[in-house]
Amino acid sequence: DGGITQSPKYLFRKEGQNVTLSCEQNLNHDAMYWYRQDPGQGLRLIYYSQIVNDFQKGDIAEGYSVSREKKESFPLTVTSAQKNPTAFYLCASSSKPQGAFDGYTFGSGTRLTVV
Amino acid sequence: SQQGEEDPQALSIQEGENATMNCSYKTSINNLQWYRQNSGRGLVHLILIRSNEREKHSGRLRVTLDTSKKSSSLLITASRAADTASYFCVQTDSWGKLQFGAGTQVVVTP
Repeated sequence: DGGITQSPKYLFRKEGQNVTLSCEQNLNHDAMYWYRQDPGQGLRLIYYSQIVNDFQKGDIAEGYSVSREKKESFPLTVTSAQKNPTAFYLCASSSKPQGAFDGYTFGSGTRLTVV
Repeated sequence: SQQGEEDPQALSIQEGENATMNCSYKTSINNLQWYRQNSGRGLVHLILIRSNEREKHSGRLRVTLDTSKKSSSLLITASRAADTASYFCVQTDSWGKLQFGAGTQVVVTP
């Protein structure tokens, strides 16, 4: 079955360390997205990529970095520059063109805790 | 920002009752979507309604859209305990990016 896989499900990081969250999809979707969710809030966009080897900053990109070397993969690195990294991170993907857009597919999320 | 606002913030009902939640948005849209999120999980796409549609059904879900009022509603009929979740109204901007509100938390008690 096609879908998006995020790993790990839970991640603990010490302050000052970088950590990379994995997101893999086998839906053949062109666009991929990273969102951050804090308790009781909606999702905020960190980075997005509409095509391989290209990505754009979202609303809260500071302290994060991404790469899109393959269509299937869009890893997110939470760097030590991110001041408040503890959150629930969600990866999503969508097909193109946007005119035929029918919804996003989300992964099951990674909960990152800084200890 | 096209960020929408859901109302109410939280809703508690008994099984079998209907649950209605509303959403308002600020700018024109191409489409509006509703998603469900179970606690600590990813989001599940429920239904998409396009700007030229006024009502759409999917199983026990009914979504309406009033573009003149910039508002939408989601009705869940004959609710079940499994409907307990947060529900998000989401707009798509011209780049296809989603704009989220804070959601409505629905609790369905047996």
